[in-house]
Amino acid sequence: AQSVTQLGSHVSVSEGALVLLRCNYSSSVPPYLFWYVQYPNQGLQLLLKYTSAATLVKGINGFEAEFKKSETSFHLTKPSAHMSDAAEYFCAVSVRNTPLVFGKGTRLSVIA
Amino acid sequence: SQTIHQWPATLVQPVGSPLSLECTVEGTSNPNLYWYRQAAGRGLQLLFYSVGIGQISSEVPQNLSASRPQDRQFILSSKKLLLSDSGFYLCAWSVQGAVIPLHFGNGTRLTVT
Repeated sequence: AQSVTQLGSHVSVSEGALVLLRCNYSSSVPPYLFWYVQYPNQGLQLLLKYTSAATLVKGINGFEAEFKKSETSFHLTKPSAHMSDAAEYFCAVSVRNTPLVFGKGTRLSVIA
Repeated sequence: SQTIHQWPATLVQPVGSPLSLECTVEGTSNPNLYWYRQAAGRGLQLLFYSVGIGQISSEVPQNLSASRPQDRQFILSSKKLLLSDSGFYLCAWSVQGAVIPLHFGNGTRLTVT
């Protein structure tokens, strides 16, 4: 069965610094991969998705992620953190049109 | 445009009481519908999904059940709540025949006391 592992339950960065949130996946077939963001007491919003086209995927709010098959990774990055980026981020995987499986989430704090 | 509604937003219930959470989707027909639960430190766990009226797949054996009495209505229920049922419950939908993109409601915060 497919799964994702998010390394680090909490990441803290300074405003203006690089954001790097790590996600590794496990799948025996080519996966679709996603990053979602959740603000307090709200649902999840799609940031970006990889569906077997370009390996470098750009999303909303300046985020991007790169699919690396050799490393089974799909890390999320943003060159310069903003206070409004503070939220919880979830990586998710789907294979063969099965429901999304989510990681445990990484809480991002941005320090002024 | 499509919208998804979940209610209530927050709920506090005593142990042993029943539960009914409702989710409705507007602006699309025959969607796939999902219930996820988010518990502290455990990420999002898929509880149930449905591809049509009366068709429910259960992912995790537990104290909860789901029903889909109408095309765009999905209900999460329990006859007797446990403390471990506390969490943030999220309803989601996707278009018929596809699991992506997945669109989420704003969730229900359930506290069992």
